[in-house]
Amino acid sequence: EVQLVESGGGVVQPGGSLRLSCVASGFTLRSYWMQWVRQTPGRGLEWVSRIDNDGGYTTYVEAVKGRFTISRDNAKNTLFLQMNSLRDEDTAVYYCTRDADGFGGTSDYWGLGTPVTVSS
Amino acid sequence: DIVMTQSPLSLPVTPGEPASISCRSSQSLLHSDGKNYLDWYVQKPGKSPQLLIKLVSNRASGVPDRFSGRGSGTDFTLQISRVEAEDVGVYYCMEALQSPFTFGPGTNVDIK
Repeated sequence: EVQLVESGGGVVQPGGSLRLSCVASGFTLRSYWMQWVRQTPGRGLEWVSRIDNDGGYTTYVEAVKGRFTISRDNAKNTLFLQMNSLRDEDTAVYYCTRDADGFGGTSDYWGLGTPVTVSS
Repeated sequence: DIVMTQSPLSLPVTPGEPASISCRSSQSLLHSDGKNYLDWYVQKPGKSPQLLIKLVSNRASGVPDRFSGRGSGTDFTLQISRVEAEDVGVYYCMEALQSPFTFGPGTNVDIK
């Protein structure tokens, strides 16, 4: 059974940092591209970032470029999202998702999500 | 960025009756490979979103055949042939053609 379990969310002040982790099981992580998607009540679902099988290619939504870094450790079956210079508008539930085929942006499995709150 | 719109945003349904959700994109989702990169997701109450349909009409594993999708270019439709109580939730379309991949605002389906 495919499982994605996120952790690392919490409350942080504006300008602070958090590192999200996503542990994958039930499939071979190195065989799949992976993504992060976030959700807020006001803005709905927002795709954040994507990484290829070995971490050589990454892409981001404009709003997080230069502040967030996606990475992976295939040996540890783990995906990461390093979030720096956090802003109020980064407050959201962050989901780790498995990219279905590495071409289009389809997410065929989603984690339970980890909440991030940016507030002073 | 591609802008996705959906209608209606709220859809009260009667069990056993059909339901339909429309999704439009600001640019064509037709790739040179001949496929339209349009997905549908559903988020049931208290749960994470889950893939319902990919590439317009391909149901994800385990999705009942009462769900179907159609469309091409910029206009797409999700249809439920006979709504069941377990189908309540928010339905999102998403363009999977080019990053940043963008979602529609969601359609809240609930029982009348």
